[in-house]
Amino acid sequence: NAGVTQTPKFQVLKTGQSMTLQCAQDMNHNSMYWYRQDPGMGLRLIYYSASEGTTDKGEVPNGYNVSRLNKREFSLRLESAAPSQTSVYFCASVRGANTEAFFGQGTRLTVV
Amino acid sequence: QKEVEQDPGPLSVPEGAIVSLNCTYSNSAFQYFMWYRQYSRKGPELLMYTYSSGNKEDGRFTAQVDKSSKYISLFIRDSQPSDSATYLCAMKYSGNTPLVFGKGTRLSVIA
Repeated sequence: NAGVTQTPKFQVLKTGQSMTLQCAQDMNHNSMYWYRQDPGMGLRLIYYSASEGTTDKGEVPNGYNVSRLNKREFSLRLESAAPSQTSVYFCASVRGANTEAFFGQGTRLTVV
Repeated sequence: QKEVEQDPGPLSVPEGAIVSLNCTYSNSAFQYFMWYRQYSRKGPELLMYTYSSGNKEDGRFTAQVDKSSKYISLFIRDSQPSDSATYLCAMKYSGNTPLVFGKGTRLSVIA
């Protein structure tokens, strides 16, 4: 049982480059989330998808786009990476309205 | 004022100590309260999940919610070096809404 799988685990980008972070869950969960974690800042919500076909902005959406490709997959795209986007990115999924979130192992992104 | 406040520590205690971790929140509409544990270079994992005021116990861990004071706590009894991690409080509104996290408290239990 893989749970929530994120790829890649590590990435170094140059300023201005683009990339897509992939997330897939095999638990048939309805909702999926993208968070970023920075030292001293905790987990901050970037975007979320309450169900297949819907996406909403979170606390820090600027510079990011998302796609809920199907029920399993939720991707996060950086169109033009900036050093301020250096962070650890976590994807999470939730089965239903009032249930726990399961997290992936994270993607460590460095933008130079 | 941030919705959820949590002292980031770090907190260092000797093995066997009782640890108390706390969060306060500003919005009384929060209905569900969670504690996540995060080991270094890993994703957060759910430790405790509570709804409404009161206590919930699971082994050495006790979660406490006081909605009237907008205050939640996590107690760890007989702390072990394996408890060394970052503890994040999280809460959510009712319905299909995302979790809102505190900043996390880094705990070290020294053998």
